[in-house]
Amino acid sequence: KQEVTQIPAALSVPEGENLVLNCSFTDSAIYNLQWFRQDPGKGLTSLLLIQSSQREQTSGRLNASLDKSSGRSTLYIAASQPGDSATYLCAVRPKGGSQGNLIFGKGTKLSVKP
Amino acid sequence: DGGITQSPKYLFRKEGQNVTLSCEQNLNHDAMYWYRQDPGQGLRLIYYSQIVNDFQKGDIAEGYSVSREKKESFPLTVTSAQKNPTAFYLCASSALAGGTYEQYFGPGTRLTVT
Repeated sequence: KQEVTQIPAALSVPEGENLVLNCSFTDSAIYNLQWFRQDPGKGLTSLLLIQSSQREQTSGRLNASLDKSSGRSTLYIAASQPGDSATYLCAVRPKGGSQGNLIFGKGTKLSVKP
Repeated sequence: DGGITQSPKYLFRKEGQNVTLSCEQNLNHDAMYWYRQDPGQGLRLIYYSQIVNDFQKGDIAEGYSVSREKKESFPLTVTSAQKNPTAFYLCASSALAGGTYEQYFGPGTRLTVT
């Protein structure tokens, strides 16, 4: 059964720092991996989607990488800002399951201090 | 504006009552999903639908029911059989064409049952 783990569960950094969030998954048979942001009490905002054939995707200060064979993805945030404070969730779309379904990690709660 | 709307934002019910959560999308997406989120937990899939008048159980369907009479709408009913209904409920949708199945989320409904 596919399991997704995110470490650390919480992270606090000073403003301006570059940081990396980690996501690991147990089964490399995936179609893609998606990173989301969730603000307190809000829905999820899709940040980046990486297809299984891709190594990385970039959007502004965000860069997500995927190493499918080792079951790992990282989300790199450059020059962090207080507005980046949120919970970041990763999710994989596994092969063999029902199309479109996602398996989520529990998230990393990021706090960027001014 | 294209997007997913969920209503209401907050919902309070007495134990033993059924309650229906609304989800509407104007993205012309074929697939729609319902997730449940508990504190410190990842999202868990309740039900999903890939076509009108058809839907499938997710990992935690017991005590819930859905309908898909229109492409734009996918209401979720939390029945009195659901043992722990208090949670944050998120609706999502995705296009099936193109192959990525990237999911977009609504703002969520927080249900409290006492």
